[in-house]
Amino acid sequence: GAVVSQHPSWVICKSGTSVKIECRSLDFQATTMFWYRQFPKQSLMLMATSNEGSKATYEQGVEKDKFLINHASLTLSTLTVTSAHPEDSSFYICSARRLAGKYTQYFGPGTRLTVL
Amino acid sequence: SQQGEEDPQALSIQEGENATMNCSYKTSINNLQWYRQNSGRGLVHLILIRSNEREKHSGRLRVTLDTSKKSSSLLITASRAADTASYFCATDTSGTYKYIFGTGTRLKVLA
Repeated sequence: GAVVSQHPSWVICKSGTSVKIECRSLDFQATTMFWYRQFPKQSLMLMATSNEGSKATYEQGVEKDKFLINHASLTLSTLTVTSAHPEDSSFYICSARRLAGKYTQYFGPGTRLTVL
Repeated sequence: SQQGEEDPQALSIQEGENATMNCSYKTSINNLQWYRQNSGRGLVHLILIRSNEREKHSGRLRVTLDTSKKSSSLLITASRAADTASYFCATDTSGTYKYIFGTGTRLKVLA
């Protein structure tokens, strides 16, 4: 149990376009989902915390108008990178926390975004 | 800001040897977790240790926590080539279950 999926697993887009990444908890309900980005050979940087039915909380330095997060249901959160630029190219990873579980986050496999 | 700094950044050992990775953090924590990441993949949870615990074991993994030194270590015993991955510590400082990840240690186990 506790499987988290991401779609797509990789995407290439042109500069100026918007890209939507989905994060789904497949077999459990997640009140909270987290979005991270990771540059090659670097650590994960928390971008935002997404709570079902409410606005996302963004970390300092993360542009909320650039990275739109929607947590429409207990099993789905989406991250939209708006007007993408090459510097947005990165590995984006989501994680989900169960309703009942406090500490454990279950991570998705990640989405590789390349902006040309 | 990066909460955890890990040491070493990279480690290369022979199969069968033990691997030790250290994580130091800056502020008081509620709990600390260790994760593993294979190249280009998501993260796998290994162990959680709470601030009032000093040591935990899980199979070939042993984690220690020294809150006075604000540090934790992960020991992998009898390493295998399949243990090759990056290992990250992650800390929850506020009790909100929001984790900040360390810089990671890239472990390579040679067969």
